Amino acid sequence: AQSVTQLDSQVPVFEEAPVELRCNYSSSVSVYLFWYVQYPNQGLQLLLKYLSGSTLVKGINGFEAEFNKSQTSFHLRKPSVHISDTAEYFCAVGSMNTGFQKLVFGTGTRLLVSP
Amino acid sequence: DAGVTQSPTHLIKTRGQQVTLRCSPKSGHDTVSWYQQALGQGPQFIFQYYEEEERQRGNFPDRFSGHQFPNYSSELNVNALLLGDSALYLCASSPPADLGRGGYTFGSGTRLTVV
Repeated sequence: AQSVTQLDSQVPVFEEAPVELRCNYSSSVSVYLFWYVQYPNQGLQLLLKYLSGSTLVKGINGFEAEFNKSQTSFHLRKPSVHISDTAEYFCAVGSMNTGFQKLVFGTGTRLLVSP
Repeated sequence: DAGVTQSPTHLIKTRGQQVTLRCSPKSGHDTVSWYQQALGQGPQFIFQYYEEEERQRGNFPDRFSGHQFPNYSSELNVNALLLGDSALYLCASSPPADLGRGGYTFGSGTRLTVV
């Protein structure tokens, strides 16, 4: 069965600094990978996804992520964060085992951006 | 264009009671998935409905059941509520033939508190 590990429960960063949120997954078959953002009292919004092809994926709000198959990682990066990026970020995987219909989420990383 | 609508937004129930949560998918979407998000955790897949049938199910007991109607809306029912059922319940809809490629739209959720 697949699993997702988000190594950092909380990442504090200053405004305009770069940030990386780490995600490692475990799966023996082909996967789709996703990053979602959740603002307080809201649902999940898709930031970006990797399905196939180029391993560098660009998403909304200036975020990007790189799929590394050998390290089974899909880390999220942003070169310069804003106060408005403060939110909870979830990495998720869909796998061929479940017909890619079911998402398995990590436990989330809270990004705290301060002035 | 309305997204995914969930009702109610908040709910308080007593242990042993039964609860029904409702979800209207985004226009044009035909598949509905339900997730449970406990406090401080990532969402966990409960089940998915397509063509009024349960297509996949996660590791949840039979106390959790669902239904999909001809207009694609869905209900999640939980019987014999336990304190541990307290969580944010998220509904996600996806378009035809999405095949897990990240076309999910999430609702804002129903916050269920069991006392």
